[in-house]
Amino acid sequence: DAKTTQPPSMDCAEGRAANLPCNHSTISGNEYVYWYRQIHSQGPQYIIHGLKNNETNEMASLIITEDRKSSTLILPHATLRDTAVYYCIVRVATGIQGAQKLVFGQGTRLTINP
Amino acid sequence: EAGVVQSPRYKIIEKKQPVAFWCNPISGHNTLYWYLQNLGQGPELLIRYENEEAVDDSQLPKDRFSAERLKGVDSTLKIQPAELGDSAVYLCASSLGSGVNTEAFFGQGTRLTVV
Repeated sequence: DAKTTQPPSMDCAEGRAANLPCNHSTISGNEYVYWYRQIHSQGPQYIIHGLKNNETNEMASLIITEDRKSSTLILPHATLRDTAVYYCIVRVATGIQGAQKLVFGQGTRLTINP
Repeated sequence: EAGVVQSPRYKIIEKKQPVAFWCNPISGHNTLYWYLQNLGQGPELLIRYENEEAVDDSQLPKDRFSAERLKGVDSTLKIQPAELGDSAVYLCASSLGSGVNTEAFFGQGTRLTVV
């Protein structure tokens, strides 16, 4: 399994960019990097995913290094509502019908401070 | 469009009692997942369905847990009998297929407390 390593917690000031790092040094060539977040008492929410190119959507940007061994999720203008646990996930092949599953780690608890 | 709907939102039961959780996935999503989340931990997969077929239940404790997805839409997860250690949040998710380039959408979960 391609596992991920994230810092357990981070702080960021409101209005600033929040940069969340993730290491996935054992990632395979066909495995995608996914980011989810979980706000207190809610289910995980999909943010973004990518294979090797940088990706951007309305929520965030995903920067993947050229060797694909690490990535950074960027929230460009963090707000108090972005306080959550952020999970970096490498989509793992199950070997069952060629399908993939999400394997969550413990994530990074991001706190946005006013 | 409604997201993944789970009920109940909260459940408190005494140990050794049975309990059931219900999930209604996003319309048209053929893949359905049940996850277990212990306090302070990330979610862990219990079972995955492709339509009505359970294609990955390797992490489901089959002595007390069971699940079904009749007609390939709604799903029910059951525990019988419940133990104190089953206290956790049970999350349901659905996706349009389970390929590597497919995002899953989660419900709000059912928080189970066994006393």
